[in-house]
Amino acid sequence: EDKVVQSPLSLVVHEGDTVTLNCSYEVTNFRSLLWYKQEKKAPTFLFMLTSSGIEKKSGRLSSILDKKELSSILNITATQTGDSAIYLCAVEAYGGAQKLVFGQGTRLTINP
Amino acid sequence: NAGVTQTPKFQVLKTGQSMTLQCAQDMNHNSMYWYRQDPGMGLRLIYYSASEGTTDKGEVPNGYNVSRLNKREFSLRLESAAPSQTSVYFCASRDGGTYGYTFGSGTRLTVV
Repeated sequence: EDKVVQSPLSLVVHEGDTVTLNCSYEVTNFRSLLWYKQEKKAPTFLFMLTSSGIEKKSGRLSSILDKKELSSILNITATQTGDSAIYLCAVEAYGGAQKLVFGQGTRLTINP
Repeated sequence: NAGVTQTPKFQVLKTGQSMTLQCAQDMNHNSMYWYRQDPGMGLRLIYYSASEGTTDKGEVPNGYNVSRLNKREFSLRLESAAPSQTSVYFCASRDGGTYGYTFGSGTRLTVV
């Protein structure tokens, strides 16, 4: 059974700090790992990482995939209160119907 | 371009009542999904439909049924609601050729 585990489950930091969120996975026939940000409603897409694209960056956010360690990190530098959200990690496998398996999420709170 | 539309946004049911959650997408996506989200548990897959005319069970299908009415619409039915089904439900669709999962804004369901 495919499994995704995120840590920490909750994190509180001050504005301006740098944070690192972790995601580890066990999946047969790994295809991709995706990061989502969820504020009050639907998850919104941040990054997709694959064997051919193991590092992505967008502004203050960046993510790296470590296929050897079966894990990924999401870094946020110079955090702002608007970064407060639940961050979800999900993996997708090859074969059969494509579907996402999610981790529990990390609830990030940025205090001013 | 509406993306994925879910109705209703909120619903309160009494134990034993039935209801159908509606989902429609206008992106011509082949695959559609129903997830539920409970505190601290990320999103868990209930049912999915890889293409029109097919449906498959996900991780937590018990107590639910689905119908892929056509390519656009994928409904989720609770035949006899239970308090354990209190949750936020998300519908999603996916473009089969890329990584593009798009989520609806969710339905908050409370069963009393």
